[in-house]
Amino acid sequence: AQSVAQPEDQVNVAEGNPLTVKCTYSVSGNPYLFWYVQYPNRGLQFLLKYITGDNLVKGSYGFEAEFNKSQTSFHLKKPSALVSDSALYFCAVRDEVTGGGNKLTFGTGTQLKVEL
Amino acid sequence: KAGVTQTPRYLIKTRGQQVTLSCSPISGHRSVSWYQQTPGQGLQFLFEYFSETQRNKGNFPGRFSGRQFSNSRSEMNVSTLELGDSALYLCASSRGVEGAAGNTIYFGEGSWLTVV
Repeated sequence: AQSVAQPEDQVNVAEGNPLTVKCTYSVSGNPYLFWYVQYPNRGLQFLLKYITGDNLVKGSYGFEAEFNKSQTSFHLKKPSALVSDSALYFCAVRDEVTGGGNKLTFGTGTQLKVEL
Repeated sequence: KAGVTQTPRYLIKTRGQQVTLSCSPISGHRSVSWYQQTPGQGLQFLFEYFSETQRNKGNFPGRFSGRQFSNSRSEMNVSTLELGDSALYLCASSRGVEGAAGNTIYFGEGSWLTVV
């Protein structure tokens, strides 16, 4: 069965500093990986995805993610954090073997807090 | 282009009642999936519909059901509500083309259900 792990419940970073939110995955087929952000009392907003190709994926709001197959990781990064980036971040995986279905398996989420 | 629209946004129900939530996917999207989000269990997949057929189902009791109409709009129903059903219910849509596992999945703002 596919699974996603986000080892950190919370990440604190100062504004202007680089940030990393960690994600590792386990799938039986090819991994299709996604990052979403959730602001308080809101739904999930799509940030970026890895399907195939370049290991560095660029997404919305200056975020990027690095896919590492050997370490089965897909860490979210941003070179310079903003206070407005403070939110809950979810990593998710869709396993190719689900037969075209759109079932996502989510991590437990990482609360990002960016302070002045 | 309009995003995924969910109604109602907030509702309060009594134990034992039933509830129906509605979701209108992004225009052109044929796959609609539903997720339950709670503080304790996180984001859990309920089911997915594609072209009016249930394509995937999560591990929820039969009290949770759904359907999809010919215009791709979807509803989910929860019967005999329990206190533990209090949650944010998220709808997501995707093009859902068979074999295109890289399609982006977009989420709505969710329906907040409180069972008292």
